[in-house]
Amino acid sequence: GENVEQHPSTLSVQEGDSAVIKCTYSDSASNYFPWYKQELGKRPQLIIDIRSNVGEKKDQRIAVTLNKTAKHFSLHITETQPEDSAVYFCAAKPPGTASKLTFGTGTRLQVTL
Amino acid sequence: DAGVTQSPTHLIKTRGQHVTLRCSPISGHKSVSWYQQVLGQGPQFIFQYYEKEERGRGNFPDRFSARQFPNYSSELNVNALLLGDSALYLCASSLSTSGGPKNIQYFGAGTRLSVL
Repeated sequence: GENVEQHPSTLSVQEGDSAVIKCTYSDSASNYFPWYKQELGKRPQLIIDIRSNVGEKKDQRIAVTLNKTAKHFSLHITETQPEDSAVYFCAAKPPGTASKLTFGTGTRLQVTL
Repeated sequence: DAGVTQSPTHLIKTRGQHVTLRCSPISGHKSVSWYQQVLGQGPQFIFQYYEKEERGRGNFPDRFSARQFPNYSSELNVNALLLGDSALYLCASSLSTSGGPKNIQYFGAGTRLSVL
């Protein structure tokens, strides 16, 4: 089955700096890669996703890049703000109706003033 | 529009007991998935249901079971609870299980289960 590794486990940046979180996946058939943000005690919320037919997607301060050859994808947050502090999870999903979403272990991002 | 709703929000049980967790998907969503999130880890897939049929099962023992009702709501049942079952149980709904935007999963706030 699919295996997703995520690094780093914790990340501390100063407000205004950029943050990068990296994930690798094992199943070359995976074609859907969402990123979720989970604030303490709250539900995971989808912040951006990318499908395997594109290499990069951007939404305001958030971007995701995908390298299918190397089987890794990354989340980039620019101009970080204190409200970006949360745990971020990457995930991967192969095609097919019976396939499941496999999550990474999470990155705790702390944005300091 | 209401998002995914789960009940109860918190639950305390003792070892050996049984528990039922409930999930109501977003209106119009026909697929429900269940995940277990242990503290400090990412969600682990337990089950996926679509149109009342099981479409996927994760690596969990037979003590875990689920079902989906005609209104697309779902229940997760866990028998013979163990201490290790203590976790946040998340439900996610999606329009369908097919590829593309229809399989985007939206999560509920979860049920925090403590087994003593």
